Amino acid sequence: DGGITQSPKYLFRKEGQNVTLSCEQNLNHDAMYWYRQDPGQGLRLIYYSQIVNDFQKGDIAEGYSVSREKKESFPLTVTSAQKNPTAFSLCASSIGRDFSQEAFFGQGTRLTVV
Amino acid sequence: QQPVQSPQAVILREGEDAVINCSSSKALYSVHWYRQKHGEAPVFLMILLKGGEQKGHEKISASFNEKKQQSSLYLTASQLSYSGTYFCGALEIYNQGGKLIFGQGTELSVKP
Repeated sequence: DGGITQSPKYLFRKEGQNVTLSCEQNLNHDAMYWYRQDPGQGLRLIYYSQIVNDFQKGDIAEGYSVSREKKESFPLTVTSAQKNPTAFSLCASSIGRDFSQEAFFGQGTRLTVV
Repeated sequence: QQPVQSPQAVILREGEDAVINCSSSKALYSVHWYRQKHGEAPVFLMILLKGGEQKGHEKISASFNEKKQQSSLYLTASQLSYSGTYFCGALEIYNQGGKLIFGQGTELSVKP
């Protein structure tokens, strides 16, 4: 079955530590997105990518980095500069070129600083 | 700049109607609507495109006013399964593609 998979579901990070969240899709989608969901603030865009080897900062990119070396993969690294103690991050993908198509979301990763 | 949704929360009795509004300060190519149940991933409901085309849910309707950069989601004869948080997403086009920006969400609770 086609879909978008995030791992792990839960992740714990020590202060000063960098961690990487995985996002993989087998939908052959060009566009991929990372969002952070905070209570009362909805889904805020961290980074997005329309094609391989290209990505753009979203509204809350500070403390995060990404790579897009393969079409199906868009990992997100949370660095020690990211001060939010807990965060629920969602990855999404869409066809990209056809803007009439919907985005598909992964199940999310909940990151906690310990 | 996120789209602004209103209301932030609404409580309905089963069978009642509701309207959720979404407004953007930027010109929109299209508006997306998603519903998220607690602990789950957002699920696609509907896309509204410039020019009036719509794609999506059979029992939920929506409108898109391109000039005002506003969209509204209409939930009629609500069912218990409609409970969740509704997000509107505004697609902003740039040179090499587009980015999908979401509003802060509207929490809908349908009671028996």
